[in-house]
Amino acid sequence: AQSVAQPEDQVNVAEGNPLTVKCTYSVSGNPYLFWYVQYPNRGLQFLLKYITGDNLVKGSYGFEAEFNKSQTSFHLKKPSALVSDSALYFCAVRDGGGANNLFFGTGTRLTVIP
Amino acid sequence: SQTIHQWPATLVQPVGSPLSLECTVEGTSNPNLYWYRQAAGRGLQLLFYSVGIGQISSEVPQNLSASRPQDRQFILSSKKLLLSDSGFYLCAWTQKTSPLHFGNGTRLTVT
Repeated sequence: AQSVAQPEDQVNVAEGNPLTVKCTYSVSGNPYLFWYVQYPNRGLQFLLKYITGDNLVKGSYGFEAEFNKSQTSFHLKKPSALVSDSALYFCAVRDGGGANNLFFGTGTRLTVIP
Repeated sequence: SQTIHQWPATLVQPVGSPLSLECTVEGTSNPNLYWYRQAAGRGLQLLFYSVGIGQISSEVPQNLSASRPQDRQFILSSKKLLLSDSGFYLCAWTQKTSPLHFGNGTRLTVT
């Protein structure tokens, strides 16, 4: 069965510093991995995905994620954090079945401190 | 372009009352449709998904049901709400290998 784990409930970073939000995955077969962001009282917004190809995936709002097969990780990164990046971030993995269901991690709340 | 609409945005219902939340998608055909619930602003729980009209798969047994009467319409229902049904309900769609696209959610409070 597919699953992802986000080991940190909360990440705090100073504005302008690099940020990392961690995610590890467990899949049978090739991983299809995603990052989403959620602002208060809103739905989730797609940031980026890894299907195949380059291990460094670039996405929206200056975010990128690094796929590491040996460590089964897909950490979200940004070189310089903005206060507006403060939100809830979810890692997700897609199952290989016809329904294309996504299974989400428990989320990491990112707070960027001015 | 594709859009997804969910309503209402907020809902307060007494215990034992019925529920109907509606979700519609525009600009695409034959999407996969999903209902998720998010409790306490954290993890998402997949409740139902549908790969076509009248085809509903339930991921967890509970007090809720779903229906897909039209290709781009997905409805979440309950005959009698429980306090534990409170939460943030999110509808989403996808097609083939595209990312999952979410509506803005409905915050349900059962009192």
